[in-house]
Amino acid sequence: QVQLQESGPGLVKPSETLSLTCTVSGGSISTYYWSWIRQPPGKGLEYIGNIYYTGSTNYNPSLKSRVTISINTSKNQFSLKLSSVTVADTAVYYCARVSYGGDRNYYSYMDVWGKGTTVTVSS
Amino acid sequence: DIQMTQSPSSLSASVGDRVTITCRASQSINSYLNWYQQKPGKAPKLLIYAASSLQGGVPSRFSGSGSGTDFTLTINSLQPEDFATYYCQQSYSTYTFGQGTKLEIK
Repeated sequence: QVQLQESGPGLVKPSETLSLTCTVSGGSISTYYWSWIRQPPGKGLEYIGNIYYTGSTNYNPSLKSRVTISINTSKNQFSLKLSSVTVADTAVYYCARVSYGGDRNYYSYMDVWGKGTTVTVSS
Repeated sequence: DIQMTQSPSSLSASVGDRVTITCRASQSINSYLNWYQQKPGKAPKLLIYAASSLQGGVPSRFSGSGSGTDFTLTINSLQPEDFATYYCQQSYSTYTFGQGTKLEIK
Protein backbone atom coordinates (compact mmCIF):
# COMPACT_ATOMS: atom_id res chain seq x y z
CA GLN A 1 0.00 0.00 0.00
CA VAL A 2 1.11 3.55 -0.66
CA GLN A 3 2.95 5.31 2.15
CA LEU A 4 4.13 8.90 2.40
CA GLN A 5 7.02 10.20 4.49
CA GLU A 6 7.88 13.84 5.07
CA SER A 7 11.48 14.88 5.65
CA GLY A 8 13.40 18.10 6.18
CA PRO A 9 14.81 20.42 8.84
CA GLY A 10 12.82 20.72 12.03
CA LEU A 11 14.10 24.21 12.76
CA VAL A 12 14.18 27.16 10.39
CA LYS A 13 15.24 30.72 11.13
CA PRO A 14 12.89 33.66 10.50
CA SER A 15 13.15 35.14 6.98
CA GLU A 16 14.72 31.92 5.65
CA THR A 17 13.16 29.29 3.36
CA LEU A 18 11.47 26.17 4.70
CA SER A 19 12.16 23.11 2.52
CA LEU A 20 10.43 19.76 2.90
CA THR A 21 10.29 16.61 0.79
CA CYS A 22 7.63 13.92 0.68
CA THR A 23 8.74 10.47 -0.45
CA VAL A 24 6.10 8.17 -1.92
CA SER A 25 6.64 4.44 -1.44
CA GLY A 26 4.59 1.40 -2.37
CA GLY A 27 3.21 3.00 -5.53
CA SER A 28 3.91 5.39 -8.36
CA ILE A 29 3.73 9.14 -8.01
CA SER A 30 2.30 9.31 -11.53
CA THR A 31 -1.41 9.84 -12.31
CA TYR A 32 -2.18 11.49 -8.96
CA TYR A 33 -2.26 14.94 -7.43
CA TRP A 34 -0.14 15.43 -4.31
CA SER A 35 -0.78 17.97 -1.57
CA TRP A 36 0.83 19.81 1.30
CA ILE A 37 -1.25 20.71 4.36
CA ARG A 38 -0.12 22.24 7.64
CA GLN A 39 -1.45 22.50 11.19
CA PRO A 40 -0.17 25.14 13.63
CA PRO A 41 0.07 23.98 17.24
CA GLY A 42 -3.40 23.55 18.72
CA LYS A 43 -5.11 24.80 15.57
CA GLY A 44 -6.89 23.46 12.51
CA LEU A 45 -5.78 22.28 9.10
CA GLU A 46 -4.62 24.66 6.36
CA TYR A 47 -4.21 23.66 2.73
CA ILE A 48 -0.94 24.88 1.25
CA GLY A 49 -1.08 23.61 -2.32
CA ASN A 50 -0.85 20.64 -4.59
CA ILE A 51 0.91 19.37 -7.69
CA TYR A 52 0.01 16.97 -10.46
CA TYR A 53 2.59 14.48 -11.67
CA THR A 54 2.88 16.57 -14.84
CA GLY A 55 4.06 19.51 -12.73
CA SER A 56 0.84 21.53 -12.78
CA THR A 57 0.30 23.31 -9.46
CA ASN A 58 -2.45 24.92 -7.40
CA TYR A 59 -1.72 27.07 -4.36
CA ASN A 60 -3.66 28.54 -1.46
CA PRO A 61 -4.05 32.22 -2.44
CA SER A 62 -3.04 33.32 1.07
CA LEU A 63 0.36 31.61 0.69
CA LYS A 64 0.84 31.71 -3.07
CA SER A 65 3.48 34.46 -3.10
CA ARG A 66 5.77 32.41 -0.86
CA VAL A 67 5.11 28.80 -1.92
CA THR A 68 6.71 26.60 -4.53
CA ILE A 69 5.79 22.93 -4.92
CA SER A 70 7.80 20.75 -7.27
CA ILE A 71 7.87 17.08 -8.22
CA ASN A 72 10.56 14.55 -9.15
CA THR A 73 8.87 11.55 -10.70
CA SER A 74 12.14 9.63 -11.11
CA LYS A 75 12.64 9.74 -7.33
CA ASN A 76 8.93 9.39 -6.47
CA GLN A 77 9.19 12.59 -4.45
CA PHE A 78 7.55 15.97 -4.29
CA SER A 79 8.75 19.00 -2.39
CA LEU A 80 7.61 22.17 -0.66
CA LYS A 81 9.48 25.45 -0.38
CA LEU A 82 8.05 28.25 1.73
CA SER A 83 10.05 31.47 1.66
CA SER A 84 10.39 34.34 4.12
CA VAL A 85 9.08 32.30 7.03
CA THR A 86 7.94 33.81 10.32
CA VAL A 87 6.93 32.28 13.64
CA ALA A 88 3.41 32.02 12.22
CA ASP A 89 4.69 29.30 9.89
CA THR A 90 5.50 27.02 12.83
CA ALA A 91 3.35 23.94 12.30
CA VAL A 92 3.15 20.24 11.63
CA TYR A 93 3.45 19.84 7.86
CA TYR A 94 1.69 16.92 6.18
CA CYS A 95 1.90 15.59 2.67
CA ALA A 96 -1.06 13.73 1.22
CA ARG A 97 -2.27 11.98 -1.91
CA VAL A 98 -5.32 13.36 -3.69
CA SER A 99 -7.62 10.79 -5.23
CA TYR A 100 -10.81 11.09 -7.24
CA GLY A 101 -14.04 9.16 -6.81
CA GLY A 102 -17.79 9.41 -6.61
CA ASP A 103 -20.08 10.06 -9.53
CA ARG A 104 -17.98 10.24 -12.72
CA ASN A 105 -14.89 10.56 -10.50
CA TYR A 106 -15.50 14.30 -10.11
CA TYR A 107 -14.88 14.39 -6.39
CA SER A 108 -11.40 14.80 -4.93
CA TYR A 109 -10.25 13.93 -1.46
CA MET A 110 -7.04 13.28 0.47
CA ASP A 111 -6.98 9.55 1.11
CA VAL A 112 -3.37 8.83 2.07
CA TRP A 113 -1.42 11.02 4.47
CA GLY A 114 2.11 11.11 5.79
CA LYS A 115 2.65 11.09 9.54
CA GLY A 116 3.63 14.76 9.49
CA THR A 117 6.79 16.60 10.40
CA THR A 118 7.10 19.43 12.90
CA VAL A 119 8.76 22.60 11.70
CA THR A 120 9.59 25.34 14.18
CA VAL A 121 10.50 28.83 13.06
CA SER A 122 12.81 30.39 15.60
CA SER A 123 16.08 32.25 15.77
CA ASP B 1 -12.30 31.63 -1.12
CA ILE B 2 -15.02 29.42 0.33
CA GLN B 3 -15.36 29.53 4.12
CA MET B 4 -16.36 26.38 5.97
CA THR B 5 -17.98 26.71 9.40
CA GLN B 6 -18.48 23.73 11.69
CA SER B 7 -20.76 23.48 14.68
CA PRO B 8 -20.41 22.83 17.45
CA SER B 9 -16.72 23.53 18.06
CA SER B 10 -16.75 20.94 20.81
CA LEU B 11 -19.14 18.25 21.91
CA SER B 12 -19.38 15.89 24.88
CA ALA B 13 -21.04 12.52 24.43
CA SER B 14 -21.10 9.03 25.88
CA VAL B 15 -20.27 5.66 24.41
CA GLY B 16 -23.35 4.42 22.57
CA ASP B 17 -24.70 7.90 21.79
CA ARG B 18 -25.61 9.19 18.36
CA VAL B 19 -23.93 12.47 17.49
CA THR B 20 -24.27 14.90 14.62
CA ILE B 21 -21.73 17.49 13.48
CA THR B 22 -22.71 20.22 11.07
CA CYS B 23 -20.65 21.96 8.39
CA ARG B 24 -21.83 25.00 6.46
CA ALA B 25 -20.22 26.43 3.33
CA SER B 26 -20.23 30.14 2.52
CA GLN B 27 -21.54 29.32 -0.97
CA SER B 28 -22.96 26.28 -2.70
CA ILE B 29 -20.43 23.48 -3.13
CA ASN B 30 -22.85 20.87 -4.48
CA SER B 31 -21.62 17.62 -2.89
CA TYR B 32 -17.92 18.50 -2.91
CA LEU B 33 -17.52 17.88 0.80
CA ASN B 34 -15.20 15.53 2.70
CA TRP B 35 -14.97 14.58 6.36
CA TYR B 36 -11.79 13.65 8.23
CA GLN B 37 -11.09 12.32 11.71
CA GLN B 38 -7.93 13.32 13.56
CA LYS B 39 -6.62 11.88 16.80
CA PRO B 40 -3.97 13.65 18.89
CA GLY B 41 -0.50 13.43 17.36
CA LYS B 42 -1.80 11.65 14.27
CA ALA B 43 -2.51 12.59 10.68
CA PRO B 44 -6.11 13.12 9.61
CA LYS B 45 -7.98 10.08 8.29
CA LEU B 46 -10.54 10.28 5.49
CA LEU B 47 -14.01 9.13 6.55
CA ILE B 48 -16.47 10.42 3.97
CA TYR B 49 -16.04 11.91 0.50
CA ALA B 50 -18.50 13.44 -1.94
CA ALA B 51 -20.70 14.32 1.06
CA SER B 52 -22.04 10.80 1.62
CA SER B 53 -19.65 8.17 0.25
CA LEU B 54 -18.01 6.07 2.93
CA GLN B 55 -14.28 5.57 2.46
CA GLY B 56 -13.21 1.94 2.33
CA GLY B 57 -12.50 0.42 5.73
CA VAL B 58 -14.47 3.07 7.65
CA PRO B 59 -17.15 1.60 9.97
CA SER B 60 -20.73 1.93 8.78
CA ARG B 61 -21.72 3.81 11.95
CA PHE B 62 -20.27 6.87 10.20
CA SER B 63 -22.49 8.56 7.63
CA GLY B 64 -22.62 11.87 5.82
CA SER B 65 -25.41 13.81 4.20
CA GLY B 66 -26.20 17.17 2.64
CA SER B 67 -25.61 19.18 -0.50
CA GLY B 68 -25.37 22.81 -1.46
CA THR B 69 -24.27 24.66 1.67
CA ASP B 70 -25.34 22.44 4.59
CA PHE B 71 -23.81 19.11 5.52
CA THR B 72 -23.84 16.73 8.45
CA LEU B 73 -21.63 13.95 9.76
CA THR B 74 -23.48 11.45 11.92
CA ILE B 75 -21.89 8.84 14.14
CA ASN B 76 -24.25 6.15 15.38
CA SER B 77 -23.49 4.22 18.55
CA LEU B 78 -20.29 6.02 19.53
CA GLN B 79 -17.33 3.81 20.25
CA PRO B 80 -14.37 4.70 22.50
CA GLU B 81 -12.11 5.05 19.47
CA ASP B 82 -14.39 7.72 17.93
CA PHE B 83 -13.41 10.42 20.40
CA ALA B 84 -11.33 12.70 18.23
CA THR B 85 -11.48 15.95 16.27
CA TYR B 86 -13.48 16.02 13.04
CA TYR B 87 -12.90 18.34 10.09
CA CYS B 88 -14.94 19.04 7.01
CA GLN B 89 -13.22 20.10 3.78
CA GLN B 90 -14.64 21.46 0.56
CA SER B 91 -13.18 20.34 -2.76
CA TYR B 92 -15.37 22.52 -4.99
CA SER B 93 -12.58 25.05 -5.44
CA THR B 94 -9.19 25.59 -3.81
CA TYR B 95 -9.46 23.41 -0.73
CA THR B 96 -10.51 24.86 2.60
CA PHE B 97 -11.19 23.13 5.90
CA GLY B 98 -13.63 23.81 8.68
CA GLN B 99 -12.18 24.81 12.03
CA GLY B 100 -12.81 21.38 13.55
CA THR B 101 -15.16 19.81 16.08
CA LYS B 102 -13.63 18.15 19.11
CA LEU B 103 -15.67 15.18 20.31
CA GLU B 104 -14.97 14.41 23.96
CA ILE B 105 -16.11 11.74 26.37
CA LYS B 106 -18.83 12.86 28.77
